[in-house]
Amino acid sequence: NAGVTQTPKFQVLKTGQSMTLQCAQDMNHEYMSWYRQDPGMGLRLIHYSVGAGITDQGEVPNGYNVSRSTTEDFPLRLLSAAPSQTSVYFCASSYQYSSNQPQHFGDGTRLSIL
Amino acid sequence: DAKTTQPTSMDCAEGRAANLPCNHSTISGNEYVYWYRQIHSQGPQYIIHGLKNNETNEMASLIITEDRKSSTLILPHATLRDTAVYYCIVRENFGNEKLTFGTGTRLTIIP
Repeated sequence: NAGVTQTPKFQVLKTGQSMTLQCAQDMNHEYMSWYRQDPGMGLRLIHYSVGAGITDQGEVPNGYNVSRSTTEDFPLRLLSAAPSQTSVYFCASSYQYSSNQPQHFGDGTRLSIL
Repeated sequence: DAKTTQPTSMDCAEGRAANLPCNHSTISGNEYVYWYRQIHSQGPQYIIHGLKNNETNEMASLIITEDRKSSTLILPHATLRDTAVYYCIVRENFGNEKLTFGTGTRLTIIP
């Protein structure tokens, strides 16, 4: 049981490049989400999904797109990377939306935009 | 979600109980108290949560005051591996999975 798996672990991009951060979970969780963490700050919610085919914005969605075609996968896309998107990105999942279940986090993707 | 207040940092001697306080004076009746921790460079790890009764699991105990305006996370026998940032979060049980992370308490276990 791998839990929440994020790839890649590290990535360096140039301004304007695009990329997709991958997140997969093998726990059959309905709810998945993406957070970013900047130095000295807590985690901030980017986007979330309550199930396959359903996504919604969090508090800092600008510059990011998501889709949820399967229960297992929830990729995060940067269409045109900007230096302000340099951060550590965490994916999380939990059993079901509106359930009293804790969220499980991946180990993060460390992204630098030059 | 209710706002939480935690000390910025704390130290605890190895083998002693670590008591981490959290104030959540504006908590509402349907909001749970959750605790997570983040060990350096890893993703947040769930520790424990509760509504109004004290809770205990294999990792920690959670003590919630009767008025629910504050709580304390207790690590009974702290080890060096417990050095981490600890986050106290309150959130509604229904209709909202969002976890609002503050800056947490940086707990350092001293050998």
